[in-house]
Amino acid sequence: DGGITQSPKYLFRKEGQNVTLSCEQNLNHDAMYWYRQDPGQGLRLIYYSQIVNDFQKGDIAEGYSVSREKKESFPLTVTSAQKNPTAFYLCASSPAEAGELFFGEGSRLTVL
Amino acid sequence: GQSLEQPSEVTAVEGAIVQINCTYQTSGFYGLSWYQQHDGGAPTFLSYNALDGLEETGRFSSFLSRSDSYGYLLLQELQMKDSASYFCAVEGEDSSYKLIFGSGTRLLVRP
Repeated sequence: DGGITQSPKYLFRKEGQNVTLSCEQNLNHDAMYWYRQDPGQGLRLIYYSQIVNDFQKGDIAEGYSVSREKKESFPLTVTSAQKNPTAFYLCASSPAEAGELFFGEGSRLTVL
Repeated sequence: GQSLEQPSEVTAVEGAIVQINCTYQTSGFYGLSWYQQHDGGAPTFLSYNALDGLEETGRFSSFLSRSDSYGYLLLQELQMKDSASYFCAVEGEDSSYKLIFGSGTRLLVRP
């Protein structure tokens, strides 16, 4: 079945550690996205990529990094520079412009 | 800058009709999207309005008025499973590839 796979589903990290969240899609979509969601809040855009080897900062990119070496993959690294990383992270893709996004099931990161 | 406003919470009775409003401010408008998210789950796409008027998809309808920078999501024949958060969203002013979300409306459907 086509879809978006995020891993891990749950992740715990100690302060000062970098962690990488995986996002893979087999929908053949060009565009991919990373959003952060805090409890009871909306989704805030971290990074997006319109095409392979290109990505752009969203509204809250500080403390995060991404790469887009393959069309199917868009991993997100949460670095130790991110001051408050505990959140629900959602990866998404779209075939073209952002009218309709397809989301993965999310990764819940907790910093201990 | 861009902003979207929607009520934080709405309560309705099973079988009733509920309307969730969304007003937006943006200098570059392409269309208004709606997403549903159950607790702990991923958002799922409901509808997209690029032109004025009402779009109907089963029990859900979405309306847009570009002149008023306003839209709404209408849910009919409410079911318990409709209890979820509903988000409106618009494309970014600087890129149609960015989707900016409102803070969401939590809908509680009571028996």
